[in-house]
Amino acid sequence: ETGVTQTPRHLVMGMTNKKSLKCEQHLGHNAMYWYKQSAKKPLELMFVYNFKEQTENNSVPSRFSPECPNSSHLFLHLHTLQPEDSALYLCASSQGQDAYGYTFGSGTRLTVV
Amino acid sequence: AQKVTQAQTEISVVEKEDVTLDCVYETRDTTYYLFWYKQPPSGELVFLIRRNSFDEQNEISGRYSWNFQKSTSSFNFTITASQVVDSAVYFCALRGRTSGSRLTFGEGTQLTVNP
Repeated sequence: ETGVTQTPRHLVMGMTNKKSLKCEQHLGHNAMYWYKQSAKKPLELMFVYNFKEQTENNSVPSRFSPECPNSSHLFLHLHTLQPEDSALYLCASSQGQDAYGYTFGSGTRLTVV
Repeated sequence: AQKVTQAQTEISVVEKEDVTLDCVYETRDTTYYLFWYKQPPSGELVFLIRRNSFDEQNEISGRYSWNFQKSTSSFNFTITASQVVDSAVYFCALRGRTSGSRLTFGEGTQLTVNP
């Protein structure tokens, strides 16, 4: 399997639930990212990990908790979300932060009810 | 601060027409990178092109071409002889040399190519 794989593709959760989004890349990249894509808004960078270390947190609320156990895997743990958190969450990876281009996954469509 | 503006929210054309998607950017960095991505209905963003600020040469790749003009801070994308499969949301993005990994995206242009 190649590229960036995100699971699940769709997720519906209640505001009191706890769930996790998973991202896996098989490209040998060392940087991974979480982006949020809301309707009618530009893509927003949430977190950046480089060699498993978080290098950027774009003022994301603590109800979103990222985890990067190794350079190939990235998780986004969700708890007590709000309906306005409903969005497409995209994972991306790149070879270094000064990357030629980012490879994106297909995203997880999250609906908070 | 960085900003990318894609003034066209939606464009609808008939197959075989040429279409140009506009992108205007703002940055204080003298070294920066510009990107175009395609987002089909499946959701993933597909990388199309990267340009650095020192390379103003226009590029053509098949039916796709890009016109980079620093004087007007624009990086426009033209699809020649459009096809139904070109229907997607197209994003222009900018990364300044001093902005680390941060890609600043425009709001996207929804292109619909009708048969």
